[in-house]
Amino acid sequence: DVKVTQSSRYLVKRTGEKVFLECVQDMDHENMFWYRQDPGLGLRLIYFSYDVKMKEKGDIPEGYSVSREKKERFSLILESASTNQTSMYLCASSPDGFNTDTQYFGPGTRLTVL
Amino acid sequence: SQQGEEDPQALSIQEGENATMNCSYKTSINNLQWYRQNSGRGLVHLILIRSNEREKHSGRLRVTLDTSKKSSSLLITASRAADTASYFCAPKTIYNQGGKLIFGQGTELSVKP
Repeated sequence: DVKVTQSSRYLVKRTGEKVFLECVQDMDHENMFWYRQDPGLGLRLIYFSYDVKMKEKGDIPEGYSVSREKKERFSLILESASTNQTSMYLCASSPDGFNTDTQYFGPGTRLTVL
Repeated sequence: SQQGEEDPQALSIQEGENATMNCSYKTSINNLQWYRQNSGRGLVHLILIRSNEREKHSGRLRVTLDTSKKSSSLLITASRAADTASYFCAPKTIYNQGGKLIFGQGTELSVKP
C-alpha cells in the first residue's frame, strides 16, 4: 500500500515563526502536492512538484515556499507564520503517467497560528 | 477552470437508502476521479473513470460520466453510517502538468442509522 506520512497531526505556532511541514511518500512517486483546506473553500493547491528540485506554484502560493531535495520528501515552509495560515494542510503524491494519476493523501496537519 | 463542482453541497439520508452526488466541470477531460474524506482526515481515492468510459462500478459505488454534458455522478447504494464523509470529484485534463488535480468544495454526506 502507498503510504504518505506527514510530520505532525497537530501543530501550534506563534505569529512570525518559521514553520516546516514535512511530507514523505514511500512509493517512488514523481509528483507531490501541498493543499490547504478551509471550511467553505474546499481544497486549494499551494504548490506541487513533478520532479526532484522542481516546483510549480498552485493557486495560493503567497506566504509559502517548498523544497524537494529528494524524491520521497516534499516540505512546505511558512517563512513567517500568520494567523490567516491557520488551516488543515494536506500532502499528496501521485505517479506520473496518463490515466494513472490517482493522488494518495497523507492524514493531514492541523496548524494553528496564534 | 477545470474545477469540478459538486452538487448538492450537503445530503442527509437514512441508512439503507441510496445517495447520489453530482459533479459538473467546464473543460475536456482525460479522466475524472472521486475521493472520500472522513472528518479531519486525508482524502482517499474511490474510483477513476476515463473519458471514453460511461459507467464504472466498484462494490456499492457506481460512477457515470457524460462528456457531452460535462457531468458525472456518484451513486452509493444501500448506504451505511460508515459512508458518512465528504465526497469530492476531480476532473483531470491533459493540460494539467504533473498530475495536478483541482478539487471542488465537495458534498457532505450524512447517513443516519
